[in-house]
Amino acid sequence: GENVEQHPSTLSVQEGDSAVIKCTYSDSASNYFPWYKQELGKRPQLIIDIRSNVGEKKDQRIAVTLNKTAKHFSLHITETQPEDSAVYFCAASNDGGSTLGRLYFGRGTQLTVWP
Amino acid sequence: EAQVTQNPRYLITVTGKKLTVTCSQNMNHEYMSWYRQDPGLGLRQIYYSMNVEVTDKGDVPEGYKVSRKEKRNFPLILESPSPNQTSLYFCASRRQISSYNSPLHFGNGTRLTVT
Repeated sequence: GENVEQHPSTLSVQEGDSAVIKCTYSDSASNYFPWYKQELGKRPQLIIDIRSNVGEKKDQRIAVTLNKTAKHFSLHITETQPEDSAVYFCAASNDGGSTLGRLYFGRGTQLTVWP
Repeated sequence: EAQVTQNPRYLITVTGKKLTVTCSQNMNHEYMSWYRQDPGLGLRQIYYSMNVEVTDKGDVPEGYKVSRKEKRNFPLILESPSPNQTSLYFCASRRQISSYNSPLHFGNGTRLTVT
């Protein structure tokens, strides 16, 4: 099955700086890549996603980029704020194959934004 | 309010004592799934269900059972819990089988401790 690796496992930045979290995947057939944010003691929630026919997607301060050739995708957060502090999970899915609908998660990145 | 409801939120039990964690969604979602979250290991899928009476193993199914007799309910059963099943468990659902444009809605989580 798919293997998703996520780096770094922890990331500390100063408020206002940018944060970048990177993920790689193994199955070239994967075509959908969501990112989930989990605040302390809360449930994970989708914050942004991208399909394989798009190279970049942006939503206010967050953006996701995808490099299909290299099989990696990244989450970029600009102008970080303390409320961005959370665990972020990347995931990959192949919605057209035998593993239809299965989401494979990375191990998560604990982002801490210092005021 | 649209939601995924898990019960109980916290559970402490002893080795070998059968237990059930309930999960119910009120959004008429097709797909339901169970994950366990452990430090450093991220979210790992235990079982999933694409429809009523259709269930399949995820990545870590050993020691668990599920059933999907009705669309809204997807209980997780531990027939003989062991300490290595101490974890944070999340139930999740989404509108359709395909991941794309159908985000996972997570429950609040069940923290299980097996002594």
